[in-house]
Amino acid sequence: LAKTTQPISMDSYEGQEVNITCSHNNIATNDYITWYQQFPSQGPRFIIQGYKTKVTNEVASLFIPADRKSSTLSLPRVSLSDTAVYYCLAVAGATNKLIFGTGTLLAVQP
Amino acid sequence: DTGVSQNPRHKITKRGQNVTFRCDPISEHNRLYWYRQTLGQGPEFLTYFQNEAQLEKSRLLSDRFSAERPKGSFSTLEIQRTEQGDSAMYLCASSLGLAGVYEQYFGPGTRLTVT
Repeated sequence: LAKTTQPISMDSYEGQEVNITCSHNNIATNDYITWYQQFPSQGPRFIIQGYKTKVTNEVASLFIPADRKSSTLSLPRVSLSDTAVYYCLAVAGATNKLIFGTGTLLAVQP
Repeated sequence: DTGVSQNPRHKITKRGQNVTFRCDPISEHNRLYWYRQTLGQGPEFLTYFQNEAQLEKSRLLSDRFSAERPKGSFSTLEIQRTEQGDSAMYLCASSLGLAGVYEQYFGPGTRLTVT
């Protein structure tokens, strides 16, 4: 499984768009990129997954360039409740087990 | 369905005691995972079940740890002779196990404190 690297922390203000970039230089051909969100004292929550180009759902967009060595999670118009840790993961294989890093702590201020 | 549930939510035990945690996955999910999370770190994979079969175990899972999923529904994780280093949040997750779908649904976790 590819190792992912993302910033330790980011700050933002309410109403702004937040982009969190993750690098995965050693991503394998069959790896998917997934993002999870975790609030304190709760289990992680799936946000989005993608293989290449752009994927959008009701909460976020995921941009993966053609070389797939990085990906960017975009959160539109964040609110205070988006303050959480965001994990970028490369996932593949029959088990679909998740290998988490330390994640990015996003702090949204008023 | 109310999602993945875990019991107990909190457990305080003395070093050397045995503890058992229970996870009830979403009913139609055939895959069940256990993870462990310590403060400031992301969750670490422990083990995984496809129905009742335990298909993978992490090297983190020492001989003191055992997990079961006897009928392919709920699962239990037992830690024998607990040590202070076992103090952590134990997370359970379940998924449908569809090819190319990597969404796992996590429970609220069981926080273990070993004194």
